[in-house]
Amino acid sequence: AQSVTQLDSQVPVFEEAPVELRCNYSSSVSVYLFWYVQYPNQGLQLLLKYLSGSTLVKGINGFEAEFNKSQTSFHLRKPSVHISDTAEYFCAVSEGAGSYQLTFGKGTKLSVIP
Amino acid sequence: DGGITQSPKYLFRKEGQNVTLSCEQNLNHDAMYWYRQDPGQGLRLIYYSQIVNDFQKGDIAEGYSVSREKKESFPLTVTSAQKNPTAFYLCASSMYGRVTDTQYFGPGTRLTVL
Repeated sequence: AQSVTQLDSQVPVFEEAPVELRCNYSSSVSVYLFWYVQYPNQGLQLLLKYLSGSTLVKGINGFEAEFNKSQTSFHLRKPSVHISDTAEYFCAVSEGAGSYQLTFGKGTKLSVIP
Repeated sequence: DGGITQSPKYLFRKEGQNVTLSCEQNLNHDAMYWYRQDPGQGLRLIYYSQIVNDFQKGDIAEGYSVSREKKESFPLTVTSAQKNPTAFYLCASSMYGRVTDTQYFGPGTRLTVL
């Protein structure tokens, strides 16, 4: 069975500093990987997804993530954060063909400090 | 504007009562989902529907029921059999229900059992 581990439950970072939010998954088959963002008291919005091809994926709002198959990781990065990036970020994985279900991590709360 | 609406935003229920959460989408998507979100737990799938008049149980379906009589509507009933229903409930939809399709989320309903 697949699982997703987000190693940090909370990440504080100063405005304009870089940030990395970590995500590791466990699966014995090929996977599809996703990052979603949730602003307070709202639904989730897709930031980016990896389906195949280039392991470096660029998303909205200046975020990017790199798929590393050997380390089973899909870390999310942004070179310079803004106050508006304060939100909760969720990594999700699916085991590909034949699966309809996403397995979500427990989330990482990013707090951007002015 | 296309999107997903959930109502009500806040819902209070007495123990032993059934309550129905509304979810409507005008995106012409085939697939719809219900998730439950608890603090620090990420999202867990309750039910999933890929087409009208068909739905499948997710990981935590016990104490919940759904119907899919129309493509645009996927109401969730929280029954008195659900032992701990206080949570944030999110509805989502995707074009065809394939795992590679982006899921679009509604703003959520916060249910509190008094």
